[in-house]
Amino acid sequence: QSALTQPASVSGSPGQSITISCTGTSSDVGGYNYVSWYQQHPGKAPKLMIYDVSNRPSGVSNRFSGSKSGNTASLTISGLQAEDEADYYCSSYTSSSSSVFGGGTKLTVL
Amino acid sequence: EVQLVESGGVVVQPGGSLRLSCAASGFTFDDYTMHWVRQAPGKGLEWVSLISWDGGSTYYADSVKGRFTISRDNSKNSLYLQMNSLRTEDTALYYCAKDLKSSSWIFDYWGQGTLVTVSS
Repeated sequence: QSALTQPASVSGSPGQSITISCTGTSSDVGGYNYVSWYQQHPGKAPKLMIYDVSNRPSGVSNRFSGSKSGNTASLTISGLQAEDEADYYCSSYTSSSSSVFGGGTKLTVL
Repeated sequence: EVQLVESGGVVVQPGGSLRLSCAASGFTFDDYTMHWVRQAPGKGLEWVSLISWDGGSTYYADSVKGRFTISRDNSKNSLYLQMNSLRTEDTALYYCAKDLKSSSWIFDYWGQGTLVTVSS
């Protein structure tokens, strides 16, 4: 199972919005509404930010939102804050009864 | 408060074996599917294995199939990963992760990880 495709890096200024894409195939992202997004700060464990494409767990800021079109899912962060600087990973259930992650995107808040 | 605490990571030679453990607390352990996810140094996340609430269903990434075995002991609130025929590419921080629902493939809580280094 090949990793999902994410941009290596994105950046934005405080207050701006950014979008991170996650491209897969019809066997994963495009075939199921089981896309999740995780935030990972350096030296820390990942944190669930979005699940089932667009649902936010309790406690996650509503500045984080998710969507999907075809084989590409997206994570949007609005009103960027310094604390949002981290690595972000998407994941999807696959037709092989497994899970696949994206390669990760480093978000820099300028 | 949900807590997941991994242990068992050490330096091991290629071809060797190791068993990782994950002690769970703060939730009803036997209600949830559990996972192992790993992260090689400086690299991204890789899902490794899943076990259903009762241990009746298990799944593995192709990269570990036939070499790793996931198991659980609900009486001890513990998750395990038996790792055999270890390769240098298995070097990683291994995370134990709780599933949000029943085999939803959503990892809602993570431990801090235990480091496995495969090296001669």
